Amino acid sequence: IAGITQAPTSQILAAGRRMTLRCTQDMRHNAMYWYRQDLGLGLRLIHYSNTAGTTGKGEVPDGYSVSRANTDDFPLTLASAVPSQTSVYFCASSDSRQGPDTQYFGPGTRLTVL
Amino acid sequence: GQNIDQPTEMTATEGAIVQINCTYQTSGFNGLFWYQQHAGEAPTFLSYNVLDGLEEKGRFSSFLSRSKGYSYLLLKELQMKDSASYLCAAMDSNYQLIWGAGTKLIIKP
Repeated sequence: IAGITQAPTSQILAAGRRMTLRCTQDMRHNAMYWYRQDLGLGLRLIHYSNTAGTTGKGEVPDGYSVSRANTDDFPLTLASAVPSQTSVYFCASSDSRQGPDTQYFGPGTRLTVL
Repeated sequence: GQNIDQPTEMTATEGAIVQINCTYQTSGFNGLFWYQQHAGEAPTFLSYNVLDGLEEKGRFSSFLSRSKGYSYLLLKELQMKDSASYLCAAMDSNYQLIWGAGTKLIIKP
């Protein structure tokens, strides 16, 4: 069982370029999340999805979009990258159908926008 | 607003005990999580408290006081591998996690 996988592991991107970060889970969790982690700040929620076909905005959604076409995949797209989007991005999932549940994290994508 | 406070950094000695405190303010409350994060890695789950009191899990214990908006993580018999950041997160009424910035724990021999 792989859990959650993310791709790529790291990426250097020119400002203005479009980029999609991939996230796949094999735990059949209903809920998935995208966070960014910056030095000195807590994890900040970008977007989330409580179930396939639905998405919601988190704390810092501007400049990012997501889709949830099926249970397993939750890609994050930066339409036109800017240097302030340089960060480590973590995807997470949880089984929230019975109430509060633990979030499990992927290994992260380290993104640098120049 | 919603807020989580925890110390930025702590230092402890191998074999000793350390307590990492966390205070929280959230809109509603559905539990308090602690995660461990080694440098360059993903956060991994340590504990979850929703009722007042102490939950013990091996060398790690976590305490919650809902009336005080306070939790702590207690690490006993510290080992060098416990050097990591410890993240406190409170779940609000929308079941979203509000995260602290993390406490970097440095273990010295």
